[in-house]
Amino acid sequence: GAGVSQSPSNKVTEKGKDVELRCDPISGHTALYWYRQSLGQGLEFLIYFQGNSAPDKSGLPSDRFSAERTGGSVSTLTIQRTQQEDSAVYLCASSRRLAGALPYEQYFGPGTRLTVT
Amino acid sequence: GQQLNQSPQSMFIQEGEDVSMNCTSSSIFNTWLWYKQDPGEGPVLLIALYKAGELTSNGRLTAQFGITRKDSFLNISASIPSDVGIYFCAGQTSGSRLTFGEGTQLTVNP
Repeated sequence: GAGVSQSPSNKVTEKGKDVELRCDPISGHTALYWYRQSLGQGLEFLIYFQGNSAPDKSGLPSDRFSAERTGGSVSTLTIQRTQQEDSAVYLCASSRRLAGALPYEQYFGPGTRLTVT
Repeated sequence: GQQLNQSPQSMFIQEGEDVSMNCTSSSIFNTWLWYKQDPGEGPVLLIALYKAGELTSNGRLTAQFGITRKDSFLNISASIPSDVGIYFCAGQTSGSRLTFGEGTQLTVNP
């Protein structure tokens, strides 16, 4: 596709339920990132995938958060046993990262707005 | 961890005025990026800066990568109503994660 797509655009869930958020990166982009944006705040890094390398999970706030990337393309962010503080917009970005080259710019999807009631 | 201080937090200006916002960091970044975010949308990349001292323009936008690698500014000239939105700076070091500022909310009065 032309840009990064995310689904669903909005998700309302009850506290304690699990949720899955999906990201489709730009075709040909090898790197994929997840960020979280709380109301009125900047973006907080969660996790980064680059090719077949082990993902950088250092931004995940707790072990309730996990993500996977299948086939080097689509990624799913899973939040287990959701809490109200998990309410935020979850943004996915992708970039065309080449080994040994300068980091390429990250392009963002529209985000998934998660509300935990 | 690394933090970016972005200022001002908000700006209210008249159409046609110039705008300036900046970001400072306590640590060095190798890349500075400026994004604009409209309500309900993801951030859109405006300008990317890769070299200390670099000055880059994109239409009415001009951004500079500070010589110390710890700061960057963004200028918008002759503002128009569609410039309304939240502007974020972001820094990147050897890793690929971006560290974002808190954003500058820009309001342009026609």
